Amino acid sequence: EPEVTQTPSHQVTQMGQEVILRCVPISNHLYFYWYRQILGQKVEFLVSFYNNEISEKSEIFDDQFSVERPDGSNFTLKIRSTKLEDSAMYFCASSWDSGTQYFGPGTRLLVL
Amino acid sequence: AQSVTQLGSHVSVSEGALVLLRCNYSSSVPPYLFWYVQYPNQGLQLLLKYTSAATLVKGINGFEAEFKKSETSFHLTKPSAHMSDAAEYFCAVSGDNAGNMLTFGGGTRLMVKP
Repeated sequence: EPEVTQTPSHQVTQMGQEVILRCVPISNHLYFYWYRQILGQKVEFLVSFYNNEISEKSEIFDDQFSVERPDGSNFTLKIRSTKLEDSAMYFCASSWDSGTQYFGPGTRLLVL
Repeated sequence: AQSVTQLGSHVSVSEGALVLLRCNYSSSVPPYLFWYVQYPNQGLQLLLKYTSAATLVKGINGFEAEFKKSETSFHLTKPSAHMSDAAEYFCAVSGDNAGNMLTFGGGTRLMVKP
């Protein structure tokens, strides 16, 4: 069964450093998403991406964040200058249409 | 704006007992509703979804949920809990936005006692 994959599974970085989180969505899906879950808190929407552009973003998704689909398979989330409060589990998801979103296993980001 | 409330951050049941996890939502448009499960150190797995067809939705692992518009609820049930059901369960809603954003509830951690 096709699945969303994410790399790396864990990332530790220093405050102020740039990180890139990578996702490979399910191959025939058209909509792509990033969510995050700070430890002990609810899952929060960051951004959705369709037809090579952002279709919606949350207040969390400020100028420090960017997304890109550099080729036909990868979908990346970049944080330019990480802050301590960016420490969280980051989930990528994809969907064929506006219905069910399928989630990857997540990348646990720790900012020191 | 859409929102989801899950009553009870922790629910404990005995093995074989009924599981009931509560979810109430608000949405200005007919919603799509989802239940996801998260096992320890894993991602979110879809349990079931409601997309305006039958109001009683059956999912994987014996779970089901009933959409009640009058109560704005989408509670998750399972007749008989198994130890393997111990996990965190998230209710989510979408539909009230252009970008298909899912809004999640706070989650309910289900514990199953032997």
